[in-house]
Amino acid sequence: QAVVTQEPSLTVSPGGTVTLTCGSSTGAVTSGHWPYWFQQMPGQAPRTLIYDTNNKHSWTPARFSGSLLGGKAALTLSGAQPEDEADYYCLLSYSAYVVFGGGTKLTVL
Amino acid sequence: EVQLVESGGGLVKPGGSLRLSCAASGFNFRSYSMNWVRQAPGKGLEWVSFISSSGSSISYADSVKGRFTISRDNAKNSLYLQMNSLRAEDTAMYYCARGEQWPLWGQGTKVTVSS
Repeated sequence: QAVVTQEPSLTVSPGGTVTLTCGSSTGAVTSGHWPYWFQQMPGQAPRTLIYDTNNKHSWTPARFSGSLLGGKAALTLSGAQPEDEADYYCLLSYSAYVVFGGGTKLTVL
Repeated sequence: EVQLVESGGGLVKPGGSLRLSCAASGFNFRSYSMNWVRQAPGKGLEWVSFISSSGSSISYADSVKGRFTISRDNAKNSLYLQMNSLRAEDTAMYYCARGEQWPLWGQGTKVTVSS
């Protein structure tokens, strides 16, 4: 099965902008991988922020956006808040299975 | 209330079996695909298995293929994961999650495989 890669950790200043990326061992990530982004706070279940590359759920803060960037899926956080400090996971779909990335620990500092 | 509630986790010896359940409420369960996802202590998320809304399409991660069986009972609004030949590396929190935009996750049930 494919391997999905994310930055292990990133730091952003409060109010700053950061982009998390999600790559695939099989090549460029496209909309056909239906990229998802999930946020997980310590001790909590994940929650879905972005589906199908750039679609938001009703609970997704407007400061989060999804896109494709340089052959990868990307999650951009514009105007980081302290409460955005969390683990973020991407998910890519392949023909018969899906694969999570290893996760990015985002620090707001 | 729209929710998913997992149950059935616990402590089991290597080689043993366990059956997890996921009770759905507040939405039309039979209309949606479902997934099981797990998270080992201190590790990332790992997709385990998928089942379509009717149960006719099923897939598994290579790590559990041949040992785990996903199923559902739409009349009971329930999803299941039968786990056999359990190994220490199956120790994890197990979550069920609704497919199609993945809008809903349960709170998880903990499985520990240890002698």
